[in-house]
Amino acid sequence: DAEITQSPRHKITETGRQVTLACHQTWNHNNMFWYRQDLGHGLRLIHYSYGVHDTNKGEVSDGYSVSRSNTEDLPLTLESAASSQTSVYFCASSTSGTGELFFGEGSRLTVL
Amino acid sequence: GNSVTQMEGPVTLSEEAFLTINCTYTATGYPSLFWYVQYPGEGLQLLLKATKADDKGSNKGFEATYRKETTSFHLEKGSVQVSDSAVYFCALGPGNNRKLIWGLGTSLAVNP
Repeated sequence: DAEITQSPRHKITETGRQVTLACHQTWNHNNMFWYRQDLGHGLRLIHYSYGVHDTNKGEVSDGYSVSRSNTEDLPLTLESAASSQTSVYFCASSTSGTGELFFGEGSRLTVL
Repeated sequence: GNSVTQMEGPVTLSEEAFLTINCTYTATGYPSLFWYVQYPGEGLQLLLKATKADDKGSNKGFEATYRKETTSFHLEKGSVQVSDSAVYFCALGPGNNRKLIWGLGTSLAVNP
């Protein structure tokens, strides 16, 4: 079965370190998204991509970057982790036109 | 701009009670509307959707009707179960349906 997987599922890091969260989907979806989920803020869009070599900033993109070198993967990089980036991160993918997003199980990141 | 407003939680009900979670929206054009559910420790998954006015989406005993005159998409279930305990998100899809606008989520706890 097609799926979307995130790794690591849990990560503890220190302020200032670079962190990369992986997202891999086997749906062959063009669209991929990274969200963060925080209490009181719901889901906030960090970055998204509509295809290979396409990346776009979401509403909370500062301090984050993504790259899309193939259809299956959209890694999220925190260049210099900050305590404010402690959160649960979700990757999602979709085909164009349906509006249905398929979510990974999330990556819980703690920045000390 | 487009926006979604959900009733604040948490909502606590006894098993077999009737559930309503309110969702209203503002939008230009003719968006699709969605309800997603997030069970504890998991990613979000699509619960139901409606793509045009007066459409009713339904799944797992949940229903929601796309009401253009009241700009609403309220989620209802006639008899909730403990297994329905989750966070419910209302979302609105812009014309291309590739990027969703999210409500803040409503937490539901169902007690035996």
